[in-house]
Amino acid sequence: EIVLTQSPDFQSVTPKEKVIITCRASQSIGSSLHWYQQKPDQSPKLLIKYGSQSISGVPSRFSGSGSGTDFTLTIKSLEAEDAATYYCHQSGSLPHTFGQGTKLEIK
Amino acid sequence: EVQLVQSGAEVKKPGESLKISCKAFGYSFTSYWIGWVRQMPGKGLEWMGIIYPGDSDTRYSPSFQGQVTISADKSISTAYLQWSSLKASDTAMYYCVRHAISSLTSPAGYWGQGTLVTVSS
Repeated sequence: EIVLTQSPDFQSVTPKEKVIITCRASQSIGSSLHWYQQKPDQSPKLLIKYGSQSISGVPSRFSGSGSGTDFTLTIKSLEAEDAATYYCHQSGSLPHTFGQGTKLEIK
Repeated sequence: EVQLVQSGAEVKKPGESLKISCKAFGYSFTSYWIGWVRQMPGKGLEWMGIIYPGDSDTRYSPSFQGQVTISADKSISTAYLQWSSLKASDTAMYYCVRHAISSLTSPAGYWGQGTLVTVSS
């Protein structure tokens, strides 16, 4: 089973700050890595697919990069509405797995 | 428009059985993988397993193999997650998810609203 390790677990950030969340896979998954945003009491929402591909309707301040074992999610100018927990998910190998999540708090 | 509508919250006792559902709208049900994801209170997302309704090909995470059963009824475009004997540790929110495209390597593009299962004596 592929283990995904996210960093950091928690971050307190101010609006307009740039945020970088990393996700490291225990073995190579090519580009089969996706990012989700989950706000309190809501279902997760797909933000980025296949490492770096954007999703229609997602603000352009969200971007992704990486392949193989190391991936990043970047929020280039944080807004208050981005307070949420972010998860990476690998679909390259069964069983699919999720990272443990990164909680972003807005100061 | 793709929609996944899950059944309502459940409160059960340990040892009871349960089957929760996920009804799909707005696409060809037999052409896309549907999976289930668990989220225990205050915790992260856990991938449980997935089914391809077209031929009922089902794959489980080792963590959930033997603990739950995933099934689908093509005639009513509905996927199911069931337990034969619930434990208190099954208390969680359960989400059904549909993959974005027909490939198993695609992301979970669509999510249901979640079904809260509470198991308590």
